[in-house]
Amino acid sequence: QKEVEQDPGPLSVPEGAIVSLNCTYSNSAFQYFMWYRQYSRKGPELLMYTYSSGNKEDGRFTAQVDKSSKYISLFIRDSQPSDSATYLCAAGSQGNLIFGKGTKLSVKP
Amino acid sequence: DSGVTQTPKHLITATGQRVTLRCSPRSGDLSVYWYQQSLDQGLQFLIQYYNGEERAKGNILERFSAQQFPDLHSELNLSSLELGDSALYFCASKKGGGNQETQYFGPGTRLLVL
Repeated sequence: QKEVEQDPGPLSVPEGAIVSLNCTYSNSAFQYFMWYRQYSRKGPELLMYTYSSGNKEDGRFTAQVDKSSKYISLFIRDSQPSDSATYLCAAGSQGNLIFGKGTKLSVKP
Repeated sequence: DSGVTQTPKHLITATGQRVTLRCSPRSGDLSVYWYQQSLDQGLQFLIQYYNGEERAKGNILERFSAQQFPDLHSELNLSSLELGDSALYFCASKKGGGNQETQYFGPGTRLLVL
């Protein structure tokens, strides 16, 4: 079992939809959790960072971490075509990050 | 623009060859990470350097090596290249060696081994 599992999709939604992206992880030592967005042929860019459990909101994006179930979520409200990208979840401890394989999202106008 | 630069952008070479990928971290960042990204394996951590010293090792093959120089730029050396080494190679940097700081990724080097 990989340490961080993520459904690769692809996921296609209409513009304005609420998008839910999810990951599970197996290592209970993971303390911090991140979501990165990666556009085609670009490097990943940090979207959200969460330490331990809880919710974090930034504009249209909300990240949730449930350490009891080892579940990480990213919600995108009012999705836009510009949100079309691959979204990578990551979990880490001791300075090392483990990434999921990424979910490819397409938002259709 | 993350502030992390990588050269070259693209590299095409043959099996058995050796290549060097270069990374310049963001100004002030002491940690450099190297990752390999392929379609089937996703983003795989290779190695981390902090202020010139190796800090952590991931799934790095023995044919691969890296170093961080006094000016904090880093190089990843890939030797005896195989077809399966074709991938995107990313460098990321962050300020310290601590656990909670976020990493900023460069644009990547796309390596194609023929």
